[in-house]
Amino acid sequence: DQQVKQNSPSLSVQEGRISILNCDYTNSMFDYFLWYKKYPAEGPTFLISISSIKDKNEDGRFTVFLNKSAKHLSLHIVPSQPGDSAVYFCAASGTTNAGKSTFGDGTTLTVKP
Amino acid sequence: DGGITQSPKYLFRKEGQNVTLSCEQNLNHDAMYWYRQDPGQGLRLIYYSQIVNDFQKGDIAEGYSVSREKKESFPLTVTSAQKNPTAFYLCASTPMGIAYGYTFGSGTRLTVV
Repeated sequence: DQQVKQNSPSLSVQEGRISILNCDYTNSMFDYFLWYKKYPAEGPTFLISISSIKDKNEDGRFTVFLNKSAKHLSLHIVPSQPGDSAVYFCAASGTTNAGKSTFGDGTTLTVKP
Repeated sequence: DGGITQSPKYLFRKEGQNVTLSCEQNLNHDAMYWYRQDPGQGLRLIYYSQIVNDFQKGDIAEGYSVSREKKESFPLTVTSAQKNPTAFYLCASTPMGIAYGYTFGSGTRLTVV
């Protein structure tokens, strides 16, 4: 039973346009959500997070939206740049699970010049 | 610079051998984690530790062992009982509390030959 799902394995967008990466979760106990970016053969790097008490968090070109009723979150990147090409992982955590995060399978974003 | 160091970057293991992956952090983080990534999949939790001399099993702990004798170090041993050990192994750390994203190491790629 996969508790965090990223249903799109890949996404391709043109440079300068918006990238929207989606993530769904099933566990109602999750109350903190994070996005990571990963290049091949490297460890992921933390991008942005959102608490369940908010529905939006913004950091520069990156914005994460949370819809708790739908158990859905999305990461918007505007404008997209070729350097954004990477695998993006959605992760979820809860106050009752000792800081452990459950990860989705990732979405490979390709930004074309 | 503070960070997490994983070594070696590449490791080859013969059938029936135990191997130990090193993870050292100088971030003064309390919690440390080991994740495994298989191609096209997300990160799955092997073991985690919130304090020295204490650790808990994650979702896929069978065939693995860990120790946490020092705050800075959290080595992972892949034993011969692990039937499919070929994967990319990632160590992460975080201050206590779910509001912090993980800091990951650069990973160790383990291959059984």
